Amino acid sequence: QVQLVQSGSELKKPGASVKVSCKASGYTFTSYAMNWVRQAPGQGLEWMGWINTNSGNPTYAQGFTGRFVFSLDTSVSTAYLQISSLKAEDTAVYYCARRYCSSASCAVFDYWGQGTLVTVSS
Amino acid sequence: SYVLTQPPSVSVAPGKTARITCGGNNIGSKSVHWYQQKPGQAPVLVVYDDSDRPSGIPERFSGSNSGNTATLTISRVEAGDEADYYCQVWDSSSDLLYVFGTGTKVTVL
Repeated sequence: QVQLVQSGSELKKPGASVKVSCKASGYTFTSYAMNWVRQAPGQGLEWMGWINTNSGNPTYAQGFTGRFVFSLDTSVSTAYLQISSLKAEDTAVYYCARRYCSSASCAVFDYWGQGTLVTVSS
Repeated sequence: SYVLTQPPSVSVAPGKTARITCGGNNIGSKSVHWYQQKPGQAPVLVVYDDSDRPSGIPERFSGSNSGNTATLTISRVEAGDEADYYCQVWDSSSDLLYVFGTGTKVTVL
């Protein structure tokens, strides 16, 4: 069965960096794009961008350029999200989500990781 | 950027029908997807492409989309349906390619 398993919660100080992992299993990793979604405490879902798991080419949503980096290690079917120069407002749960292409669209997130809470506090 | 508007909350008695709307400019021309998120859990896809259900999702969950409003309908509501629900579309003209709605909290009375 398809599974996306993310790394555990992180507590970081402002200015530090964090790297969140998302390990996929149960399907061919390079056949589906991987997306990242942020959810701040008590807030809704916010799409951060996606990475082409074939080419490794990332696309970042507005507001997630500069400090945010998506990467892959296809040998272990894992996607990564790295955030540098952390700020208090980066405190959120970060989800990876597989993008599924149906007959009508290529825009569905059919499987999600369990989420990784990143807390930024001094 | 493209905006999807949902009511903040919907309350429904067990066994009744809950309808959650998602408003957007000419949303009827887009494919709409719906996610259920229970507290402390990741979102789960419940309806995709306006009205299709992933395997394992009960038939009680259905969707429709026309004009400027998409609707997720939950029939014969159960206590376990209490959750936040988000609509989502893809919009090529938006800087946010994948847009989520504001979310609706469904409370089962």
